[in-house]
Amino acid sequence: ETGVTQSPTHLIKTRGQQVTLRCSSQSGHNTVSWYQQALGQGPQFIFQYYREEENGRGNFPPRFSGLQFPNYSSELNVNALELDDSALYLCASSDPTETNEKLFFGSGTQLSVL
Amino acid sequence: GENVEQHPSTLSVQEGDSAVIKCTYSDSASNYFPWYKQELGKGPQLIIDIRSNVGEKKDQRIAVTLNKTAKHFSLHITETQPEDSAVYFCAASPTGANSKLTFGKGITLSVRP
Repeated sequence: ETGVTQSPTHLIKTRGQQVTLRCSSQSGHNTVSWYQQALGQGPQFIFQYYREEENGRGNFPPRFSGLQFPNYSSELNVNALELDDSALYLCASSDPTETNEKLFFGSGTQLSVL
Repeated sequence: GENVEQHPSTLSVQEGDSAVIKCTYSDSASNYFPWYKQELGKGPQLIIDIRSNVGEKKDQRIAVTLNKTAKHFSLHITETQPEDSAVYFCAASPTGANSKLTFGKGITLSVRP
């Protein structure tokens, strides 16, 4: 069983640019959730994808968007990057059909916006 | 929406002692309460969780208690070891949304050898 994997591990962008982060879910998990973790803070829910459709969104602007593919992998896209977008972006996967659904995280992508 | 608060923000204990980390939540609809451990450079790792129909759950040296009336839950670590040093996050989510978690700000636990 493979865990949640994310790429790249680190990324540096400049303000105004666009970025795409990638995530492969844990084997058997069909739901992917994205979280943003600012320095010294807890993760904040961005959105979730289930069966290739967005299934819930947190308090993030539309320039944060995502995709889920038939193999359950996912992308997070951020347009018009701002300095405050600098954070650790975490992907997590789960299986909502499990009686005791649990969320498992990857190691994240550290994004720095200069 | 849900608001989860953790206290204290830092905790230092001697190896072998017990550590207790407390969290409060605001939304009475929340019914799933996981705890995550995050080490430097890694993503959060689920260490234990509890649902609102259970008051206490234990897994070896780790236990979690839940008081629904007071809206607080606590993580108890006994016989602490240096490898328990990390940031610990509590979280909460409402019914049917176990993967849409609201996290606290985290507590840095230091275990002194």
